[in-house]
Amino acid sequence: AQTVTQSQPEMSVQEAETVTLSCTYDTSESDYYLFWYKQPPSRQMILVIRQEAYKQQNATENRFSVNFQKAAKSFSLKISDSQLGDAAMYFCASFGNEKLTFGTGTRLTIIP
Amino acid sequence: GAVVSQHPSRVICKSGTSVKIECRSLDFQATTMFWYRQFPKQSLMLMATSNEGSKATYEQGVEKDKFLINHASLTLSTLTVTSAHPEDSSFYICSARGPVADTQYFGPGTRLTVL
Repeated sequence: AQTVTQSQPEMSVQEAETVTLSCTYDTSESDYYLFWYKQPPSRQMILVIRQEAYKQQNATENRFSVNFQKAAKSFSLKISDSQLGDAAMYFCASFGNEKLTFGTGTRLTIIP
Repeated sequence: GAVVSQHPSRVICKSGTSVKIECRSLDFQATTMFWYRQFPKQSLMLMATSNEGSKATYEQGVEKDKFLINHASLTLSTLTVTSAHPEDSSFYICSARGPVADTQYFGPGTRLTVL
């Protein structure tokens, strides 16, 4: 079984600043993947970043990067140079045993 | 790349009728597709896993006779809500397992309203 916990229901950040969204997970799988998805008001789920658990190197996609701490089962998302278009719900997710398990989400507001 | 479409985007129907939602992978083949349900201000709940050419696997608590899933080709899965009732009103999202291993790509969702 997998569980994903996002302890921050809401976060806000000034435009151009940096924000970190927290996520912890638990899984009995030895082989798994971790994801951050973004859901803007349109409700389209958009893949932000993907991390393979067997890789120690933290994934990076342009302004988005993760801090993957496998032993602590922590997978936080850092957004640098925040932009108005980053405003959305962010879901952390774990894929293992053929299933994707989502956290409850963090609503990110960008302050102009 | 890895685009998933969903049709219709929204549907309103009367109680007791059936509604079919289509999920298509447009630029890749998907042997596995997934159906989720999302209630307002909540996370996504997996309903079932659909494998091409075989029966869907339903999550605990999901009525397989009410939510019929068919995955007849490598690019199309359908969800039929049979004898819909107001409590079935929700946002339904499909995803397809894409070309990058273990990564799911999502459709834009379907808002179902049952009157």
